[in-house]
Amino acid sequence: GDSVTQMEGPVTLSEEAFLTINCTYTATGYPSLFWYVQYPGEGLQLLLKATKADDKGSNKGFEATYRKETTSFHLEKGSVQVSDSAVYFCALSDLRSGGGADGLTFGKGTHLIIQP
Amino acid sequence: GAGVSQTPSNKVTEKGKYVELRCDPISGHTALYWYRQSLGQGPEFLIYFQGTGAADDSGLPNDRFFAVRPEGSVSTLKIQRTERGDSAVYLCASSGTLADTEAFFGQGTRLTVV
Repeated sequence: GDSVTQMEGPVTLSEEAFLTINCTYTATGYPSLFWYVQYPGEGLQLLLKATKADDKGSNKGFEATYRKETTSFHLEKGSVQVSDSAVYFCALSDLRSGGGADGLTFGKGTHLIIQP
Repeated sequence: GAGVSQTPSNKVTEKGKYVELRCDPISGHTALYWYRQSLGQGPEFLIYFQGTGAADDSGLPNDRFFAVRPEGSVSTLKIQRTERGDSAVYLCASSGTLADTEAFFGQGTRLTVV
């Protein structure tokens, strides 16, 4: 079945540091890939997405590129801020089900802590 | 309201009891999803509604779990004969159309079975 593996946390960085959170996936078809973020006390929010190989999703200074050859979707940001502290989830959606949030498979989440 | 609303925010129940968890989606959203998040894990898909019907219930773990959405808006997740292993945060999300890849999540209901 489908699965998502992301790096264990917590990840602690200083403000303005470069961020990478690794994510790899296993899927039988051609999934869409997502990063969701959960800020303290809030619900999950879609951060960015990519629907086909070599697509780059970007939002709020974060980027991730859909790499089919390495089955990866690593999240990067050039200069993190304290306000980026949150839990980040990598996820995939098997397009057999039509997309949306039907049957999203999530990773376990990576807790990111940014220190001033 | 402006976002997906879930009630109650916290529920403590005794093993063997029946519980209902409610989700109010964003007004006008036709698709509604339930997920379960156990401690230290990512959310796991339970069931997806398109309108009033369950389009995909492949994630429901067993027949103790059931969900309804009778008027295509509010949904209720029902758990019979609760077990301690059912303790988790139950998340609801909604989106506008089948092709909409952005789903908006509520803050969840934390269920604790004692």
